[in-house]
Amino acid sequence: DVKVTQSSRYLVKRTGEKVFLECVQDMDHENMFWYRQDPGLGLRLIYFSYDVKMKEKGDIPEGYSVSREKKERFSLILESASTNQTSMYLCASRDRGTQAFFGQGTRLTVV
Amino acid sequence: GNSVTQMEGPVTLSEEAFLTINCTYTATGYPSLFWYVQYPGEGLQLLLKATKADDKGSNKGFEATYRKETTSFHLEKGSVQVSDSAVYFCALTIFNQAGTALIFGKGTTLSVSS
Repeated sequence: DVKVTQSSRYLVKRTGEKVFLECVQDMDHENMFWYRQDPGLGLRLIYFSYDVKMKEKGDIPEGYSVSREKKERFSLILESASTNQTSMYLCASRDRGTQAFFGQGTRLTVV
Repeated sequence: GNSVTQMEGPVTLSEEAFLTINCTYTATGYPSLFWYVQYPGEGLQLLLKATKADDKGSNKGFEATYRKETTSFHLEKGSVQVSDSAVYFCALTIFNQAGTALIFGKGTTLSVSS
């Protein structure tokens, strides 16, 4: 079975903390994505990566950065967490010409 | 640019009712179209897809036809069940463009009661 694994299902962090969300896929996919999901706003793309060390900004990159040092791992970094970054974060991966596979999501609460 | 617009919910139906969730898109190039479903507490999973005009995607009794002339990909099911209660997302991507992301609609919540 294909698998996209996010490191945590639930996280609670303090304002100002540096937060790392990790995502690992076992399908040797080229493309990986980070979205956040908020009620009434659907899924909004934060960043995506189409190869190791390559990244592209999505629709809402402010306050976030990403790292892709290995093909299977794509990390989302909140440099200084703020309460407006409380959200559900979804990681996905896909190869060209195939469907995307999603992780279970990380519900982050910033207090 | 690329975008997806889907009908706002929530959609509330009785079991065995007919379901339609509208989805229209704008795209530069030739998109592939998808419907994803998110059950409570879970991530998204692919429901069905269509990669070219006039293709019909189908799965679990759901269907959607890629209509290039109306730029639409409406989701339908003839008889919904309580277990279909979920959030449904319409999405597009353009596969021949390197680094092209999936673009999602805002999602439509479906609630089916017995």
